[in-house]
Amino acid sequence: EIVLTQSPGTLSLSPGERATLSCRASQSVSSYLAWYQQKPGQAPRLLIYDASKRATGIPARFSGSGSGTDFTLTISSLEPEDFAVYYCQQRSVRPLSFGGGTKVEIK
Amino acid sequence: EVQLVQFGGGLEQPGRSLRLSCTASGFTFDEYAMHWVRQAPGKGLEWVSGISWNSGSLDYGDSVKGRFTISRDNAKNSLYLQMNSLRAEDTALYYCVKDIRARDYDFSAFDIWGQGTMVTVSS
Repeated sequence: EIVLTQSPGTLSLSPGERATLSCRASQSVSSYLAWYQQKPGQAPRLLIYDASKRATGIPARFSGSGSGTDFTLTISSLEPEDFAVYYCQQRSVRPLSFGGGTKVEIK
Repeated sequence: EVQLVQFGGGLEQPGRSLRLSCTASGFTFDEYAMHWVRQAPGKGLEWVSGISWNSGSLDYGDSVKGRFTISRDNAKNSLYLQMNSLRAEDTALYYCVKDIRARDYDFSAFDIWGQGTMVTVSS
């Protein structure tokens, strides 16, 4: 099973700042990585798939990059609604797996 | 409106069984793989199982393999999860989830999520 390690565990930032979230895979997943946002009491929402493709309706301030084992989700300028938990997920090898999550909180 | 509505769940004793159901609307159900993803209270996400558009490919997470069975009925736009030999560690909110790719035997990302149904395993 591929293990995804997300860092940092918590990111404390202010609105308007840039957020950089990391996801590292225990072995190469090519570009088969997705990112999700989850707010309290809500189901996750797909942001990015195949490392860099924005899902339908996702604002341009969200971008994904990386390949192989190292991936980054960048939020260029945090809006108040962006404070949430973010998960990465790989589809390269079954079983599919998620990272442990990064919480982006208001500083 | 694209929607996944879930049924089932509840409280069950260790060793017993439960069946979850999910009914889809607003998209061509028989073209997409479907999945179950769970989240234990206060924890992260765990992929449980997935099934291809025509049931030709299906798979399970290691923690449920041999105990859970995924199935679908395309005529009824429905997805199911039969959960046998339940354990306390199966306690979680279970999500029915739609795959983003159509008519593909590979699994991908998840673009539509159900409302979730809670399963509690306790004596």
